[in-house]
Amino acid sequence: DVKVTQSSRYLVKRTGEKVFLECVQDMDHENMFWYRQDPGLGLRLIYFSYDVKMKEKGDIPEGYSVSREKKERFSLILESASTNQTSMYLCASRSTSGWETQYFGPGTRLLVL
Amino acid sequence: AQSVSQHNHHVILSEAASLELGCNYSYGGTVNLFWYVQYPGQHLQLLLKYFSGDPLVKGIKGFEAEFIKSKFSFNLRKPSVQWSDTAEYFCAVNRPGGFKTIFGAGTRLFVKA
Repeated sequence: DVKVTQSSRYLVKRTGEKVFLECVQDMDHENMFWYRQDPGLGLRLIYFSYDVKMKEKGDIPEGYSVSREKKERFSLILESASTNQTSMYLCASRSTSGWETQYFGPGTRLLVL
Repeated sequence: AQSVSQHNHHVILSEAASLELGCNYSYGGTVNLFWYVQYPGQHLQLLLKYFSGDPLVKGIKGFEAEFIKSKFSFNLRKPSVQWSDTAEYFCAVNRPGGFKTIFGAGTRLFVKA
């Protein structure tokens, strides 16, 4: 069965802290994505990676960076957390064969105080 | 810019009522279309998808959607909803071979028992 896991379900951080969100998929998918989900705004793409060590900016990359050193793992980094980064963060992965469905993790709800 | 518009942010129905959730997109050319669902406390998951062929597609749990190219629409329907259909529903679109998927803002459906 397809599985995408995220390192934390809930996180509370202080303004200015460096925050790491980790995502692991066990499906050998080439593509991985980080979204943030906010009420009334749907899902917005922060960054994606189409292969190991490859990354591209999404629609809202400011204040974030990513790392993909291994195929199964995609990390989102908030270099200096700010209150406007309080949100639900969703990771997803997808195979390139057929460019089909994205498989999502359970999400990390981040609160920045 | 490409966008996806979902007509209703909140819908409240009684059990056995019929459901139709509207979705319009602004992409030109060939598109892939999706409906994802997020049940309370669960991962976002695929409900159904349209890539080509018959514009009426059937998904899980009795849902269906109709692609009307001339109207740039992909509305979701279910003849008789159940309490367990209470969830948030997201319409999404991407281009074949493209990395970016654009999501609508979501529609929260509450079904009264």
